[in-house]
Amino acid sequence: DTAVSQTPKYLVTQMGNDKSIKCEQNLGHDTMYWYKQDSKKFLKIMFSYNNKELIINETVPNRFSPKSPDKAHLNLHINSLELGDSAVYFCASSQDLPEQFFGPGTRLTVL
Amino acid sequence: AQSVTQPDIHITVSEGASLELRCNYSYGATPYLFWYVQSPGQGLQLLLKYFSGDTLVQGIKGFEAEFKRSQSSFNLRKPSVHWSDAAEYFCAVGSPSGGYNKLIFGAGTRLAVHP
Repeated sequence: DTAVSQTPKYLVTQMGNDKSIKCEQNLGHDTMYWYKQDSKKFLKIMFSYNNKELIINETVPNRFSPKSPDKAHLNLHINSLELGDSAVYFCASSQDLPEQFFGPGTRLTVL
Repeated sequence: AQSVTQPDIHITVSEGASLELRCNYSYGATPYLFWYVQSPGQGLQLLLKYFSGDTLVQGIKGFEAEFKRSQSSFNLRKPSVHWSDAAEYFCAVGSPSGGYNKLIFGAGTRLAVHP
């Protein structure tokens, strides 16, 4: 069974479009995260939710909106996509300790 | 502010040789420290972690790391590298803002293994 899954794995879209990435974890964890990995492989946290409540919100354009319908799911919606949004987006989850389990990533390409 | 430095962007070793990847952190208190590995096109897999206690920690795939408070370092080692170890390696520290749930990553070290 996949612990942290993301859909889609690849996403190619035009500038200005709106898209969503979905994440699900079956580990029973309370906390979920979104990270962005840029073209130089640099990883930076974007958001974190604990039991559906936003607890970390880094300096991210408000075109990015996370939504957590329940503690097992954390989706990322991106409005008005820009070229600079092209990256790999990773979802992760954790429980009481800060050991995080990562999903396989979603490679977003904005043309 | 917390930060993590991985001084080596790219390292190449021969298969069977020993390996040490360097990681230095900037942090005011005892940190939570991690090493993750990312194979091409894959997600991140946790190799090992340090929270407290014994400063030499063992991880998966034969890796170990040593926490040295005096040097603010958490270097990753492996006595004999296998070709399958070729990957990107990330050191990370857990930041207290966000209840230590916020991981700050280094820029990564890409490991290439020669046969």
